[in-house]
Amino acid sequence: AQSVTQLGSHVSVSEGALVLLRCNYSSSVPPYLFWYVQYPNQGLQLLLKYTTGATLVKGINGFEAEFKKSETSFHLTKPSAHMSDAAEYFCAVSVGGGSEKLVFGKGTKLTVNP
Amino acid sequence: GAVVSQHPSWVICKSGTSVKIECRSLDFQATTMFWYRQFPKQSLMLMATSNEGSKATYEQGVEKDKFLINHASLTLSTLTVTSAHPEDSSFYICSARPRVRRTDTQYFGPGTRLTVL
Repeated sequence: AQSVTQLGSHVSVSEGALVLLRCNYSSSVPPYLFWYVQYPNQGLQLLLKYTTGATLVKGINGFEAEFKKSETSFHLTKPSAHMSDAAEYFCAVSVGGGSEKLVFGKGTKLTVNP
Repeated sequence: GAVVSQHPSWVICKSGTSVKIECRSLDFQATTMFWYRQFPKQSLMLMATSNEGSKATYEQGVEKDKFLINHASLTLSTLTVTSAHPEDSSFYICSARPRVRRTDTQYFGPGTRLTVL
């Protein structure tokens, strides 16, 4: 069965610092992997996704993630944090290789300090 | 493009009443819509998958008689929480998968916060 583990429920960085949010997955089939961002009282917005091909995926708002099969990881990074990046971030893996069902991690709340 | 709306955005109801939540894809047709539930400070849990014109598929542990899902058209799915109780208070989020685009993306609505008194 597919599962997602996000290390660290809370991450705090200074404005301008590197953002690193960790995600490890478990999947019995080649995974489709996603990162979503959720602002307070809002739905989820897709940041980026990996399906096949290039393992370094670039998304919106300067975020990127690298699929590492050997490490079963899909960590999210951004070189320089902005105050507007403060939000909840969810990593997700699809079930069955497509996107019929998504299994989400528990989320990581990112705080950006001035 | 790919906008999903939910109505209402928040609702407060008395215990024992029923509440209907609408999920609409505004600029695309959705063959499949998903309903999630999110408790405070927790992740999203898939409740059910609905396909237009057919019965919804519920996840294990989700009461189908309590959470009625209707996917009447390619742009509208509804979730009705019947005989709501305080433990049903939660944030309900829908998502939709476009009919004609690549099938690897779901677009999420803004969510509906339900409070049952």
